[in-house]
Amino acid sequence: GAVVSQHPSRVICKSGTSVKIECRSLDFQATTMFWYRQFPKQSLMLMATSNEGSKATYEQGVEKDKFLINHASLTLSTLTVTSAHPEDSSFYICSGGRGLNEKLFFGSGTQLSVL
Amino acid sequence: GQQLNQSPQSMFIQEGEDVSMNCTSSSIFNTWLWYKQDPGEGPVLLIALYKAGELTSNGRLTAQFGITRKDSFLNISASIPSDVGIYFCAGSPVREGQNFVFGPGTRLSVLP
Repeated sequence: GAVVSQHPSRVICKSGTSVKIECRSLDFQATTMFWYRQFPKQSLMLMATSNEGSKATYEQGVEKDKFLINHASLTLSTLTVTSAHPEDSSFYICSGGRGLNEKLFFGSGTQLSVL
Repeated sequence: GQQLNQSPQSMFIQEGEDVSMNCTSSSIFNTWLWYKQDPGEGPVLLIALYKAGELTSNGRLTAQFGITRKDSFLNISASIPSDVGIYFCAGSPVREGQNFVFGPGTRLSVLP
């Protein structure tokens, strides 16, 4: 299967700082990548759809100014959690596929802890 | 919007037993995907299904795309401790342009 690399795997930061998470498709080009948030023992919650060369599409209730998404190339999407607060602590995961409705491959996730 | 239901929500089984779980929807889907997620990791794709009635195996795992296109099941034979995890189904709705929808997951525990 295809490989999606996500970094960092774990980050601990102080409240008020910004954190950037990178998601790279290593062996395919991803026009679209997806960002999810997952709380302990819960399912994946889609936050936004990242489109190469255009603005991200955010799900209802997700603040676009809080969670900045950039998809500057076909192999890289980034999620920046701005002015992080303890309630932003969560497991963030990205995924990408080769095309619309093609099977999705996930990154290994980033555990964010905001103190 | 589109919703997927997974059953059961959780299950505890003895090592060596077979496992069956399913995913249902009120809408028709074009593609079904099954994933397994270990704690602290991203989901890993197990099986992809593309046609109604399709039955696909991956080792001890077998999944089928329901004839009605509104459901899919995943079976695990002769479970082992490393089968522990959360199993997610995902469906691609028929309407073009819609992203995959994920089910809430089935949490599997295997008792030695």
